[in-house]
Amino acid sequence: DIQMTQSPSSLSASVGDRVTITCRASQGINNYLAWFQQKPGKAPKSLIYAASSLQSGVPSKFSGSRSGTDFTLTISSLQPEDFATYYCQQYYTYPLTFGGGTKVEIK
Amino acid sequence: EVQLVESGGGLVQPGGSLRLSCAASGFTFSNYAMSWVRQAPGKGLEWVSAISASGGSTYYADSVKGRFTISRDESKNTLYLQMNSLRAEDTAIYYCAKFISSGTAMIDYWGQGTLVPVSS
Repeated sequence: DIQMTQSPSSLSASVGDRVTITCRASQGINNYLAWFQQKPGKAPKSLIYAASSLQSGVPSKFSGSRSGTDFTLTISSLQPEDFATYYCQQYYTYPLTFGGGTKVEIK
Repeated sequence: EVQLVESGGGLVQPGGSLRLSCAASGFTFSNYAMSWVRQAPGKGLEWVSAISASGGSTYYADSVKGRFTISRDESKNTLYLQMNSLRAEDTAIYYCAKFISSGTAMIDYWGQGTLVPVSS
């Protein structure tokens, strides 16, 4: 199985900060990487697919990138509605696997 | 508008069975592969199972293989998850998810989830 290692597991940031979350795949997955946002008590929401493509309706403050088997989600200017938990997921092969999540909290 | 509405969750005893349903609307159900993803209380997301658009191919996590069965009914636009021999570690919110196409396992929409507590 492909392991997805996400870091950090949590972070504290202020409104307006630039935030970066990293996800590392245990083997090559090309660009088959998605990012999801989950707020407490809610279902996940799809943000990014193919490592860097924004889902329809997702604001451009979210961006994704890839370097080999390392993937990054960046929020350019953190807003109150962005405080949530973020998950990466590979869809290169079954079983589909998720990272452990990164909880973004208010400093 | 795509809508996925899960139902069928509820308290079940260890060793028991339950069938979850996911009613789909807002898209041509028969054209898309579908999946179930679960989340144990306070934990992360865990993929459970997937089914191709035709229903001819199914996939399972090792943790549920042999106990859970995914299926779909095109006439009812509904996805199912039959769960047998349930264990305490199956306790979770179960989400139905739609893949963006028939050819890729990329999730674009999620349901609101249904809670399955397994306890005596």
